[in-house]
Amino acid sequence: DAKTTQPPSMDCAEGRAANLPCNHSTISGNEYVYWYRQIHSQGPQYIIHGLKNNETNEMASLIITEDRKSSTLILPHATLRDTAVYYCIVRVAWSHGSARQLTFGSGTQLTVLP
Amino acid sequence: GAVVSQHPSWVICKSGTSVKIECRSLDFQATTMFWYRQFPKQSLMLMATSNEGSKATYEQGVEKDKFLINHASLTLSTLTVTSAHPEDSSFYICSARTGENTGELFFGEGSRLTVL
Repeated sequence: DAKTTQPPSMDCAEGRAANLPCNHSTISGNEYVYWYRQIHSQGPQYIIHGLKNNETNEMASLIITEDRKSSTLILPHATLRDTAVYYCIVRVAWSHGSARQLTFGSGTQLTVLP
Repeated sequence: GAVVSQHPSWVICKSGTSVKIECRSLDFQATTMFWYRQFPKQSLMLMATSNEGSKATYEQGVEKDKFLINHASLTLSTLTVTSAHPEDSSFYICSARTGENTGELFFGEGSRLTVL
C-alpha cells in the first residue's frame, strides 16, 4: 500500500471548514484513498473513501487531485466533536487479492477551537 | 452503517491472569476480523487477522501463544491475552469488514486493558 504523509496537527475554529491535506505521491492506479478518524479513547470511525472522483457524504467531502498524488478531506462546518486524529490511508480495494487490512500512519490531530 | 461491538470496554487485571475480549459484528456477517493494539499517543498497530473457521494470521513480532484469537462464528471473534503482564496494558481494537468489495472497515469501541 502507498505511503501517506499528513501534518501532525491542525487547529480549526468552530463553525469553519476544516481542510485536512494528505500526500500520497506513490499511489497506484488501483488504490483508493480512505479517511478514518479516531476520537480519544474510541475506535476509529470510517469517514469517506474515493478512487479518483471527488466524493461527498453526510460527514465530509473528499477532494482528490487530478494526478491523484494528494487529497483533501473537508469538514464543512467543524464542531467541537470533530476534534480527533484523522487518518488518511491508501490501499487497494478489498476485491484485490493482496488486500488484507488497513495500515494506520500517524494521522493529523485536528483540534476544533471554540 | 455496520456496527461492531467490543466487550468489555475496559478491564483491570492482576499480572499473570488471562483476559478475554470479545468482538461482535451486530448486523452483518464478518468473515474477516482484525485485531489492533494501540499504545498511548501512538497509532494503531495490527496484531492479527482473524478468519472464521481457520487459524488467525499474526503479524511479525506478535506472540500467537500469548494472544489467542478464536473466530468461531461469522459474528464473533475473541482475543485472549494469556498470562498478562503490565507491558500488555494497551487499548485493543477489533474491526470487521462487510463482504462488499469497496469494503470499508468498521471498528469496535475498543477495550482498554490495564494489568497491575
